[in-house]
Amino acid sequence: QKEVEQDPGPLSVPEGAIVSLNCTYSNSAFQYFMWYRQYSRKGPELLMYTYSSGNKEDGRFTAQVDKSSKYISLFIRDSQPSDSATYLCAVDRLAFGKGNQVVVIP
Amino acid sequence: ETGVTQSPTHLIKTRGQQVTLRCSSQSGHNTVSWYQQALGQGPQFIFQYYREEENGRGNFPPRFSGLQFPNYSSELNVNALELDDSALYLCASSSKLAGGTDTQYFGPGTRLTVL
Repeated sequence: QKEVEQDPGPLSVPEGAIVSLNCTYSNSAFQYFMWYRQYSRKGPELLMYTYSSGNKEDGRFTAQVDKSSKYISLFIRDSQPSDSATYLCAVDRLAFGKGNQVVVIP
Repeated sequence: ETGVTQSPTHLIKTRGQQVTLRCSSQSGHNTVSWYQQALGQGPQFIFQYYREEENGRGNFPPRFSGLQFPNYSSELNVNALELDDSALYLCASSSKLAGGTDTQYFGPGTRLTVL
């Protein structure tokens, strides 16, 4: 079983919609949960990280962790065309999901 | 921009050859991690160097090796290249703190193609 599972399917949404992304992880010992954004031909950049169960907000972005079900989510409100990128979840900095390519259509 | 630089940006090699990729970490960072990102996949952890010593390794064979220098820059060496080694190689630098986590800053990567 992979440490982090992220359904890699692409996602197209109209501008202004809410984008919802999620991952599951296998090891309850994982402590840190990250979301990275990766633009084409660039390295990943850290969007948010959380340490505990619950929600963390940063502007239009909300990261959610449910340790009881080993489930992490990222929500993007009022999505913009500039949000079009691949979003990667990661645990403890070492294990990444496959990524979701998000396209926000103007 | 993160301040992490990698060279070269692109590289084409043939099977069996050897390659060296380079990374300059962000100022003040003493930890460098290397990742392999195949097309359509997430980054896979290769290894991490902290103060010139290997500090953790992923599931990669010994033909993947590395170095970290006193100025904290780093090299990734791959011997006996295989077609499956074609990927984007990412370097990330961070500063290890006592306890807690540290933010990794990724470079733009080196795109390696093995023919």
